Amino acid sequence: AQSVTQPDIHITVSEGASLELRCNYSYGATPYLFWYVQSPGQGLQLLLKYFSGDTLVQGIKGFEAEFKRSQSSFNLRKPSVHWSDAAEYFCAVGAPTGNTDKLIFGTGTRLQVFP
Amino acid sequence: ETGVTQTPRHLVMGMTNKKSLKCEQHLGHNAMYWYKQSAKKPLELMFVYNFKEQTENNSVPSRFSPECPNSSHLFLHLHTLQPEDSALYLCASSHPLAGGPGGEQFFGPGTRLTVL
Repeated sequence: AQSVTQPDIHITVSEGASLELRCNYSYGATPYLFWYVQSPGQGLQLLLKYFSGDTLVQGIKGFEAEFKRSQSSFNLRKPSVHWSDAAEYFCAVGAPTGNTDKLIFGTGTRLQVFP
Repeated sequence: ETGVTQTPRHLVMGMTNKKSLKCEQHLGHNAMYWYKQSAKKPLELMFVYNFKEQTENNSVPSRFSPECPNSSHLFLHLHTLQPEDSALYLCASSHPLAGGPGGEQFFGPGTRLTVL
């Protein structure tokens, strides 16, 4: 069965520091991978997605992620974190079945940013 | 209005009440979803509608009753809920790619439900 693991429940970084959020997936076919961000009291906003092609994908707000098939990973990175990046981050794998699209989400990583 | 909207944003109800959550998408998508987000748990997919037809019911208790009158509107009717149903209920929509995976899902801001 498809699954997504985000090993880090909570990460704290200083503003200006680099960031890497980990995501590992389990999926039998070529995965379709997403990173979403959720600010308090808000819905989820798509940061970036991987469907095929270049394994390094660029997203909004200066985020990027790299798909590594050999490691079943899709880690999210940002070279310099801003205080406004404090939020919860969710990795998801797309699991289409017939005409239905499903997303399997990880449990999320809460990012705290210190000034 | 643009994107996906949800009303109300907050709802407090007793276990004997009947209420409804509303979701509307202005993106021209064909698929709509209800998710439940509880603290410390992954997002739980509840229902999926594709072209107004329900294509997934993820073993959701019958006290939750979805309705999709058209591709732009999705409702979740609630009755005789339990305190453990308190959560953030998120609606999403997407435009499935023919013969492949869906495009990304666009989420509304959610309805924070508290059951007393």
